Amino acid sequence: ILNVEQSPQSLHVQEGDSTNFTCSFPSSNFYALHWYRWETAKSPEALFVMTLNGDEKKKGRISATLNTKEGYSYLYIKGSQPEDSATYLCASDNYGQNFVFGPGTRLSVLP
Amino acid sequence: DGGITQSPKYLFRKEGQNVTLSCEQNLNHDAMYWYRQDPGQGLRLIYYSQIVNDFQKGDIAEGYSVSREKKESFPLTVTSAQKNPTAFYLCASSNRGLAGAHEDTQYFGPGTRLTVL
Repeated sequence: ILNVEQSPQSLHVQEGDSTNFTCSFPSSNFYALHWYRWETAKSPEALFVMTLNGDEKKKGRISATLNTKEGYSYLYIKGSQPEDSATYLCASDNYGQNFVFGPGTRLSVLP
Repeated sequence: DGGITQSPKYLFRKEGQNVTLSCEQNLNHDAMYWYRQDPGQGLRLIYYSQIVNDFQKGDIAEGYSVSREKKESFPLTVTSAQKNPTAFYLCASSNRGLAGAHEDTQYFGPGTRLTVL
């Protein structure tokens, strides 16, 4: 089973702060990297699907970058708001494998 | 509304009983998946199905069984052989099927929390 790691495990930020967290994944046989946002009592929601080395994707105040050669992706949130509080999951999609999920980063944005 | 439904939201069962968790999707997706979440761990794949009448074991299939008689439905049975069944169970679906594309992400239901007493 491939290993996907995320750091930090959890963090607390003040409203208005910008923040980022990391997903590390196996770079061999890479296919795609998926980011999800999982709010409490809701279903995980797809944020980004990233496939190409150097990819950068953006959705509002949230953006993500991808480095497939070294096997990491960063998720950035600019000007965090309380509604950004959630667990952020990444999943590595490698050839011949099913999705492998990281344990998630739990973000709490304090008003 | 298009989406994935799971029922019930909470489920309590006595040890030694089999229990079936429901998962239905109206997204017309070929592929469906069952995951289990335990505290501090990533989602772990139990079973998946890429097409009707076919399914494959995931990483932690022991003590579980599934069926895929209809495209819309992928029920999971937690049997008495599952040694530690108390967990949160998530169902997902995607267009991935047998001819998947890079961009085929997975869409999730709201989950079922199973507690075995």
